[in-house]
Amino acid sequence: GQQVMQIPQYQHVQEGEDFTTYCNSSTTLSNIQWYKQRPGGHPVFLIQLVKSGEVKKQKRLTFQFGEAKKNSSLHITATQTTDVGTYFCAGPTPGSARQLTFGSGTQLTVLP
Amino acid sequence: GAVVSQHPSRVICKSGTSVKIECRSLDFQATTMFWYRQFPKKSLMLMATSNEGSKATYEQGVEKDKFLINHASLTLSTLTVTSAHPEDSSFYICSANIAGGFYEQYFGPGTRLTVT
Repeated sequence: GQQVMQIPQYQHVQEGEDFTTYCNSSTTLSNIQWYKQRPGGHPVFLIQLVKSGEVKKQKRLTFQFGEAKKNSSLHITATQTTDVGTYFCAGPTPGSARQLTFGSGTQLTVLP
Repeated sequence: GAVVSQHPSRVICKSGTSVKIECRSLDFQATTMFWYRQFPKKSLMLMATSNEGSKATYEQGVEKDKFLINHASLTLSTLTVTSAHPEDSSFYICSANIAGGFYEQYFGPGTRLTVT
């Protein structure tokens, strides 16, 4: 079945440093989504990328969808303590109408 | 917009009892809702897909007779954990798609179930 892997699993950064998480799918994706889950909270939808090579920005967050539509990245510039949480990528599950396969997640800790 | 509520947020029950968890889309209609289980520091594990007016579709390994799902309306899905055991203790989260929208899912705040 489809696998969606993320690296790294954990990342500790000093506040102000940059952070990047990478997402790789075993299958080509029609779109890729990113979610953020704060500690003790629930996943919150951040963004969806659809086009090959697409790049989208949300303030300090930059999302990229690979040319082959099998990988994606999320880059945070100058991290802040509010960025703490686990970041998940997710892609449509093959053969399903609306199911998503979530990546393993990257847990970000920002040290003040 | 796109707010999903879940109730209760926390529940403690005794082994052998049943617990019902409600998931509601507050400001949109959801033809499809999803139920996930999440273990500490782990990713989301899809348990079942709940379709309004039809039977839920369960993922492999999920017992449909133990985890009863009902999607009675476009804004409400319920998950009932029957004859709960301590190993059912977990964080259960529901999510919903907006009818006619794209694939993104909007999650409820989750329910922490502890079975003693």
